[in-house]
Amino acid sequence: AQSVTQPDIHITVSEGASLELRCNYSYGATPYLFWYVQSPGQGLQLLLKYFSGDTLVQGIKGFEAEFKRSQSSFNLRKPSVHWSDAAEYFCAVAPSAGGGNKLTFGTGTQLKVEL
Amino acid sequence: DAGITQSPRYKITETGRQVTLMCHQTWSHSYMFWYRQDLGHGLRLIYYSAAADITDKGEVPDGYVVSRSKTENFPLTLESATRSQTSVYFCASTPRLASYNEQFFGPGTRLTVL
Repeated sequence: AQSVTQPDIHITVSEGASLELRCNYSYGATPYLFWYVQSPGQGLQLLLKYFSGDTLVQGIKGFEAEFKRSQSSFNLRKPSVHWSDAAEYFCAVAPSAGGGNKLTFGTGTQLKVEL
Repeated sequence: DAGITQSPRYKITETGRQVTLMCHQTWSHSYMFWYRQDLGHGLRLIYYSAAADITDKGEVPDGYVVSRSKTENFPLTLESATRSQTSVYFCASTPRLASYNEQFFGPGTRLTVL
């Protein structure tokens, strides 16, 4: 079974600073990987996803993520954080072989942006 | 309005009562899901449905019942609510089976069981 670890529960960055949120997965093959964002009181919105090809994927709102097979990681990055990026971020994995469309989520990273 | 909606958005109930959370989507997506979100656990899958009249258990199904008589609706029922079911519940949908498809989430229902 697949699993996801987000080692940072809370992260605080200053507006304009760069951001990296960590995600490590466990799966027997190359999984499908996702980053979702949840703004306060809202549902989850997809930021980006990886399922094949270029290991650096671009998403919405200026986010990008890099898939590193050797490290079983899919870290989310943004070069310059805006105050509106304050939210909770979830990494998720879906099986690439069988298992249907069932996502397994990490526990989330709460991002605080200091002005 | 097009999209995926959940009702009610907030619900307070008492231990032992039956509660039904509603989920409605206007896209005619085949797949629908129910998750619960708890601090320290992220989102965990309760039940999912591949089509009308086809449902299956997820990671944490105990104490919950689902049905899907119409493609667009996927209600979740807590037959006898317990305090441990206090949580935020999210419904999601996706058009196809392929795992790389995005799931679209509703706004959530915050349920408190006293």
